[in-house]
Amino acid sequence: AQTVTQSQPEMSVQEAETVTLSCTYDTSESDYYLFWYKQPPSRQMILVIRQEAYKQQNATENRFSVNFQKAAKSFSLKISDSQLGDAAMYFCAYRSPWGAQKLVFGQGTRLTINP
Amino acid sequence: DTAVSQTPKYLVTQMGNDKSIKCEQNLGHDTMYWYKQDSKKFLKIMFSYNNKELIINETVPNRFSPKSPDKAHLNLHINSLELGDSAVYFCASSQDGGGLEDRVGEQYFGPGTRLTVT
Repeated sequence: AQTVTQSQPEMSVQEAETVTLSCTYDTSESDYYLFWYKQPPSRQMILVIRQEAYKQQNATENRFSVNFQKAAKSFSLKISDSQLGDAAMYFCAYRSPWGAQKLVFGQGTRLTINP
Repeated sequence: DTAVSQTPKYLVTQMGNDKSIKCEQNLGHDTMYWYKQDSKKFLKIMFSYNNKELIINETVPNRFSPKSPDKAHLNLHINSLELGDSAVYFCASSQDGGGLEDRVGEQYFGPGTRLTVT
C-alpha cells in the first residue's frame, strides 16, 4: 500500500519570501500521479499543482513549483513571493494512474504567512 | 455553476440518530468519492463509485451506506450516529481514463459537510 508523509506539521514564512514544503511517499509502482492540495480556512480543497511520475520536468503553476525526485520518492512544493492568501493547510497526495483510484494523503502542513 | 455540491454544509445531531449527506456533480465525471477528514485534519477515502458501481469500500463500519442513484449523485447515509463520527465529510469526483492523460484523474472536491454528533 502506498503511504505519503509530510514531516512538517507547521511552517511559517514572511510575506514575499519563498517557502518549501516537504513530502515523501512510498510506492512500488513506476507510474503514478502526485498532487498538492490547499485547504484554506473555508475548508474547500483546492488543487494547486500536479505531477505525472513519467515526466522528468518539474511542474510549475505561476508562483508554485515542485521539486520531484523520483528515485528519492520526494515531492516538495515551493511557493515563491508568498502572499497572505497562501495561508492554509497544504496536503500532498498520491494516486495510482489506472482506472478510478483513491487519493492517499499526507498528514498536512499548516502554512502561516507573516506580514 | 458549482461543480461539486454537497448538502447540508453543517449538520448537528444527537447520538443514535440516522442522517444523510447528499452530493451532486455537474462535471460529467464518471467516478465519485467520499472522504472523511478527522479532527486532526487527516483525510482518508471511505468509498468510491464508478458509473453507479461501488469500487472502493475502505474498512468503514457498515453503519455507513453510500448510494449512487445515477453517476451525477452520490449520497452517504449514516445509521446510529456515534460521537466518533464527528468529522468533515468531503465528496469528490473525477473523470478516469485508462492511464496518464492530461486532467484525467484530477479529483474535484465539494465544500465539505461538517458533522457534529452530540
